[in-house]
Amino acid sequence: AQSVTQPDIHITVSEGASLELRCNYSYGATPYLFWYVQSPGQGLQLLLKYFSGDTLVQGIKGFEAEFKRSQSSFNLRKPSVHWSDAAEYFCAVNDYKLSFGAGTTVTVRA
Amino acid sequence: DTGVSQDPRHKITKRGQNVTFRCDPISEHNRLYWYRQTLGQGPEFLTYFQNEAQLEKSRLLSDRFSAERPKGSFSTLEIQRTEQGDSAMYLCASSLEGRGDGYTFGSGTRLTVV
Repeated sequence: AQSVTQPDIHITVSEGASLELRCNYSYGATPYLFWYVQSPGQGLQLLLKYFSGDTLVQGIKGFEAEFKRSQSSFNLRKPSVHWSDAAEYFCAVNDYKLSFGAGTTVTVRA
Repeated sequence: DTGVSQDPRHKITKRGQNVTFRCDPISEHNRLYWYRQTLGQGPEFLTYFQNEAQLEKSRLLSDRFSAERPKGSFSTLEIQRTEQGDSAMYLCASSLEGRGDGYTFGSGTRLTVV
């Protein structure tokens, strides 16, 4: 069965600093991978997705992610974090339904 | 289209009562999903529909839970004889068929069982 693991439960980053969130997947075939963001008390918003082609994908809000098959990873990055990026971030893999990781909470300090 | 709508946003109920949640998906999406999310966890799959057919139910969906999608449009999720362990955020999402399509999520229904 497909699954994703997000090793970091909580990350604190200074405003303006770079951010990288880790995601490792387990899937037998070509994975369909997604990153979602969730603000407190809200639903999930799609940041970006990968299923083929260029291994570096661009998303909304200045986020990008890189697919590395050799490492079974799909890490999310942002060069310069804004206070509004404080949220919970979920990596997910889609077989015929989305399966989510446990999430990484991002705190942004001034 | 205004996206995926869920009603109510919040529900507080006493243990043992029945509750029903509604989800209105994006109109052209033929798939509809229900997820449950507890604090500090990622969403967990409960069930999904393709049009009006319920194609899969998770082991998490006990006999007290039932979901319907009459006519392949809106969906309802009912929990009978609620327990404190049912307290969670219930998320609905919709999508077109296909693994490459991301889901569009609603804002969720926060259930608190007291």
